[in-house]
Amino acid sequence: QLQLQESGPGLVKPSETLSLTCSVSGDSISRSSYYWGWIRQPPGKGLEWIATIYNSGSTYYNPSLKSRVTISVDTSKNQFSLKLSSVTAADTAIFYCARLDSSGFFESWGQGTLVTVSS
Amino acid sequence: EIVMTQSPATLSVSPGERATLSCRASQSVSSNLAWYQQKPGQAPRLLIYGASTRATDIPARFSGSGSGTEFTLTISSLQSEDFAVYYCQQYNNWPLGTFGQGTKLEIK
Repeated sequence: QLQLQESGPGLVKPSETLSLTCSVSGDSISRSSYYWGWIRQPPGKGLEWIATIYNSGSTYYNPSLKSRVTISVDTSKNQFSLKLSSVTAADTAIFYCARLDSSGFFESWGQGTLVTVSS
Repeated sequence: EIVMTQSPATLSVSPGERATLSCRASQSVSSNLAWYQQKPGQAPRLLIYGASTRATDIPARFSGSGSGTEFTLTISSLQSEDFAVYYCQQYNNWPLGTFGQGTKLEIK
C-alpha cells in the first residue's frame, strides 16, 4: 500500500529557506511511471500546486513560484524534496506531497505538514 | 492560466438528499478534470478523474459529468461522511494544474 510522509521543520524564519522531504513507501520512485509533486494549502484556504518531478529528474514548476522553488529526487532513499527560498508569512501553509498520474491528477496524497513562517 | 470557478461556495443539503456541485473552466479543458474531497484535518482524496471516472474505492453515489468548460459532481444520496469541502482541478495544460476555490458541503 502506497504511503507518502512529509517531514521537515514546522517553523521557518522569514527570508530563510523552507526544506521538506517526502518519503515514499509501497512504490519505487525509480521504477514508477508516476510523477511526484508538492501542493500547499494556506490555513483555511484552497490548494495550490507548487512543483512536480519525474524519476528521470525532469522538473516542472508553478510559474508564480518558480524563482524560489527547487524540487529534487533521491531515488536511493526513495524520497523527493522541496526547497522554497526567501519565505514570508504568506508562505505559511500545510504542504502536501503527492503521487501524480502521468495525465496530471493527484492520485495519492501524504497527510500534510504545517509550516509556519515566523520570527 | 486556466481559472477554475466552483459554485456555490457553500451548499447546505440534508442527509439522504442529492447534492450537485459545479465547476467551470475559463477555457476548454476537454475531459481533463478531477474532483477531490477534503475533510477537516485531512489531506484531499481523489474522487473522480477524466471528468467521470471514479477513483479506486469511491462509492457509486459519487458521479461526475461534463466536458469542455462545464463540469458537475453529483452525490446521489448524501451520507454523514460526505459533508466536506470539494475541489475540482484541471490538468489539461499539465503540468500547470489549477484548482477551484472549493465548495463546502454542509448539513442542512
